[in-house]
Amino acid sequence: LAKTTQPISMDSYEGQEVNITCSHNNIATNDYITWYQQFPSQGPRFIIQGYKTKVTNEVASLFIPADRKSSTLSLPRVSLSDTAVYYCLVGPVGSSYKLIFGSGTRLLVRP
Amino acid sequence: SQTIHQWPATLVQPVGSPLSLECTVEGTSNPNLYWYRQAAGRGLQLLFYSVGIGQISSEVPQNLSASRPQDRQFILSSKKLLLSDSGFYLCAWKTGLTGTEAFFGQGTRLTVV
Repeated sequence: LAKTTQPISMDSYEGQEVNITCSHNNIATNDYITWYQQFPSQGPRFIIQGYKTKVTNEVASLFIPADRKSSTLSLPRVSLSDTAVYYCLVGPVGSSYKLIFGSGTRLLVRP
Repeated sequence: SQTIHQWPATLVQPVGSPLSLECTVEGTSNPNLYWYRQAAGRGLQLLFYSVGIGQISSEVPQNLSASRPQDRQFILSSKKLLLSDSGFYLCAWKTGLTGTEAFFGQGTRLTVV
């Protein structure tokens, strides 16, 4: 399984765009990149998933360069409610995936 | 639609007592099932995962065990709790055919006293 590295914490202000980068140098050909968001005392919630280039949904965008050794989660115009821990996961399609979470990035959005 | 139920929400147990946490999933078949533990301010530690009935893989050696008696039921147990077993326990499921999109229960806050 590809190991991921993320910043431990980030600070931002309301209305700013936040970019959280995840490094996964050993990503395999059949691995997907998935990001989760976790609020205190809740389970993580799926945000976005991608394989290559750019993926966008109503919550965030995911940028994946051609070599796929890193990915960037982009949160546009954050609000206080975006304060949470964000996890980057890398793994293959299929039943064998163990779903290992790293330490995540603790994002604090200030007023 | 698929739903996941996990109970109880909170639990206070004395050291040495047994534990049984149950998780059930509705609206899907043959899901992958996972048990995680999260200590305060820390990341999620994968404890067990299962790809089918009776198939349990353990990630961390400890005094906990897991069972999957039915396709959509996952149980976490302990015969004798330790203080170090305190934490936030989360059950999750995902389909076996897709990537890494998993769905989590609401969690159980276990305090061993």
